[in-house]
Amino acid sequence: GAVVSQHPSWVICKSGTSVKIECRSLDFQATTMFWYRQFPKQSLMLMATSNEGSKATYEQGVEKDKFLINHASLTLSTLTVTSAHPEDSSFYICSASPLLAVYYEQYFGPGTRLTVT
Amino acid sequence: GENVEQHPSTLSVQEGDSAVIKCTYSDSASNYFPWYKQELGKRPQLIIDIRSNVGEKKDQRIAVTLNKTAKHFSLHITETQPEDSAVYFCAASLNTGTASKLTFGTGTRLQVTL
Repeated sequence: GAVVSQHPSWVICKSGTSVKIECRSLDFQATTMFWYRQFPKQSLMLMATSNEGSKATYEQGVEKDKFLINHASLTLSTLTVTSAHPEDSSFYICSASPLLAVYYEQYFGPGTRLTVT
Repeated sequence: GENVEQHPSTLSVQEGDSAVIKCTYSDSASNYFPWYKQELGKRPQLIIDIRSNVGEKKDQRIAVTLNKTAKHFSLHITETQPEDSAVYFCAASLNTGTASKLTFGTGTRLQVTL
């Protein structure tokens, strides 16, 4: 149980274009989903927290107009990287916290590797 | 906000030896401390976690200890095997009522040599 999927697993796009990444909880409902970014050989950095039906909460330094997050249902959240630039190239990982979790444990998706050329 | 420090950044042990990774956190309100194992290019996988009302937890070769007073927690892996080689991240979590933000440590690259 507690499976989270992400699509696509990797994507290459040209500078200036937008890319959408989907995160789905497959066998549970998620009150909250989180989006992380991980650069090579670095730790996971939280970008934003999204709750179903409400606006996402962004971490300090993360541009909300560049990284658009939509959490339309209890099983789906999307991250859109708008006007992507090479410095946005990274490993993007989502996680989901089950609706009935007692300590709000998080389960991670497999990640999406974004390369902007 | 929460700050989590993790040491060492790299750790090399021989197969069969024990490995210990240590983390400290800054926010005394944090109450959930998971450990994740991440292999190259893959998702972090939860290997063990501990709540603030428990001092120690063990799962086969893996154990975690928590010292709330000192605000530090440690991961212990015994009888290490080559497949234990990976990057390990500790994290601390502060429940906000509807969700829990994880703050990650900087990671420890564990290499188990034959």
